[in-house]
Amino acid sequence: DAGVTQSPTHLIKTRGQQVTLRCSPKSGHDTVSWYQQALGQGPQFIFQYYEEEERQRGNFPDRFSGHQFPNYSSELNVNALLLGDSALYLCASSWARNTEAFFGQGTRLTVV
Amino acid sequence: SQQGEEDPQALSIQEGENATMNCSYKTSINNLQWYRQNSGRGLVHLILIRSNEREKHSGRLRVTLDTSKKSSSLLITASRAADTASYFCATVHSGYSTLTFGKGTMLLVSP
Repeated sequence: DAGVTQSPTHLIKTRGQQVTLRCSPKSGHDTVSWYQQALGQGPQFIFQYYEEEERQRGNFPDRFSGHQFPNYSSELNVNALLLGDSALYLCASSWARNTEAFFGQGTRLTVV
Repeated sequence: SQQGEEDPQALSIQEGENATMNCSYKTSINNLQWYRQNSGRGLVHLILIRSNEREKHSGRLRVTLDTSKKSSSLLITASRAADTASYFCATVHSGYSTLTFGKGTMLLVSP
């Protein structure tokens, strides 16, 4: 079991550019959540996908969007990047409500 | 916004000692979970305690939950250098399955 895999591991982008991050959930999991973790902070919930639809959304602007595919994998897209978007982006998968989440190793995004 | 607050922000102990971290939260929960993070990478799930449970054990970990005080504690017994990491509590609220994290406690265990 490969667990949750994220790609790429590191990324450097320029302000104003767009970025796409990818996540494959743990085998058997159908729910994918994305979190943003700034340096020295706890992860902040961005949104959650279930059955290819956005089920819940945190307090993030519309520049942050996502998608879930029929195989449950997911993408996080960020448009018009700002310096403040520099963070570790974590993907977590789970299979039912209120159960433990399994996290990937994250994608470190640096915006310059 | 952060839901929980961990205390202390940082903790430094010697190998073999016990480490206790506390977490407080603001609104009622369905369950509370503790995670470990090494060197700013992915989070590893440690333990989940439901709102109707008061104490739970897993190996060297002991978690307590006091819903009347809206607080939880994580005890790591007989700590090892490999326990050095950041520890986060995360709450799950009724009707949702997302996690709301605190800012974490950074634990340093010296040999």
